[in-house]
Amino acid sequence: GEDVEQSLFLSVREGDSSVINCTYTDSSSTYLYWYKQEPGAGLQLLTYIFSNMDMKQDQRLTVLLNKKDKHLSLRIADTQTGDSAIYFCAESNTDKLIFGTGTRLQVFP
Amino acid sequence: DARVTQTPRHKVTEMGQEVTMRCQPILGHNTVFWYRQTMMQGLELLAYFRNRAPLDDSGMPKDRFSAEMPDATLATLKIQPSEPRDSAVYFCASGLGYKEQFFGPGTRLTVL
Repeated sequence: GEDVEQSLFLSVREGDSSVINCTYTDSSSTYLYWYKQEPGAGLQLLTYIFSNMDMKQDQRLTVLLNKKDKHLSLRIADTQTGDSAIYFCAESNTDKLIFGTGTRLQVFP
Repeated sequence: DARVTQTPRHKVTEMGQEVTMRCQPILGHNTVFWYRQTMMQGLELLAYFRNRAPLDDSGMPKDRFSAEMPDATLATLKIQPSEPRDSAVYFCASGLGYKEQFFGPGTRLTVL
């Protein structure tokens, strides 16, 4: 069945770049998403990429998609303490989203 | 500022009691999702509706869970009877198709 995997933790220094990686199994995925969850809150959509694209940039965020390897990454430039959160990768080809386990990003000064 | 609202935000109950969680989707959204989040299982899709009709509830334990949309402005998730293993954060999300889902703040349920 469909599966989305992420590493559990990432720790970076403030001002550095963060790269969060994700792999998925469903080759028919239409959209791939990155969501952010802050403590005590719901998930918030950060960005998404259509499967026929290989890169999308939105301010400090860069999404790279390698469809051949089914690998998605999120790069956050100039990481700030406010970026500390859990980041979820998700994929879909229908109404349903399949979420990864989430990567907890910790930013230290 | 359109948001998904959920009530209650926190619920503590005893095993065997009925629990009802409510969600008000964003006006105009035609798709509503219920998710459960736990440390062990992560985010699980329990059920979802389009235009108030249930499309998929395969993620939901049918013997004790039920989800409904009495009207376009209200979705409910009921657990009867509740068990300690149901303790989790339950999220509602709404959207138009699958392009983006807007999540509510969640209901944190503790079953003692």
